[in-house]
Amino acid sequence: NAGVMQNPRHLVRRRGQEARLRCSPMKGHSHVYWYRQLPEEGLKFMVYLQKENIIDESGMPKERFSAEFPKEGPSILRIQQVVRGDSAAYFCASSPRGKDTEAFFGQGTRLTVV
Amino acid sequence: GENVGLHLPTLSVQEGDNSIINCAYSNSASDYFIWYKQESGKGPQFIIDIRSNMDKRQGQRVTVLLNKTVKHLSLQIAATQPGDSAVYFCAEIPGGTSYGKLTFGQGTILTVHP
Repeated sequence: NAGVMQNPRHLVRRRGQEARLRCSPMKGHSHVYWYRQLPEEGLKFMVYLQKENIIDESGMPKERFSAEFPKEGPSILRIQQVVRGDSAAYFCASSPRGKDTEAFFGQGTRLTVV
Repeated sequence: GENVGLHLPTLSVQEGDNSIINCAYSNSASDYFIWYKQESGKGPQFIIDIRSNMDKRQGQRVTVLLNKTVKHLSLQIAATQPGDSAVYFCAEIPGGTSYGKLTFGQGTILTVHP
């Protein structure tokens, strides 16, 4: 059973471009969380999704950021018109149940905006 | 150690010593508290959790202590090994939700010297 798969592992974008980060949860997991981590900081919650539904997006910036988790395929975190401040590591976690303390994290996507 | 500016607290120990990593949390209504280990370039890895109605829980070589009076959480690692070197984060799941939205602390860098 493969773990949570995120790709790409590293992504470089110029200011103004779009970034698409993908997350395939573990098999059988229908709950997905996205977190952002700045250097030397803890992870900050962004959004929680179930299949085809955004449940909690309280940590998402109001503009340029969006997330989806379609019925088929991976969850996508999309950042439009990236700026230097978007440079960070973005982690996805999945769990089989809603309130599960043992969420499994992917290896992350390290986004660098130049 | 004391956190100054953007630098994470650090703890250096010798192989074989016991390590104690501390965390102060803010939300007295949290349901669960969890410790994660994050190695360089990787996603957080679940270590151990404790429910808010407990004050101690033991795992393999690890013990978590919860003091709700002073909102303090600690992770004790017995017989620390070089492979334990990583950044350790405490996290909490708020009460009143049906999903595992995590609020992370800032982290402590543990370095184990052979």
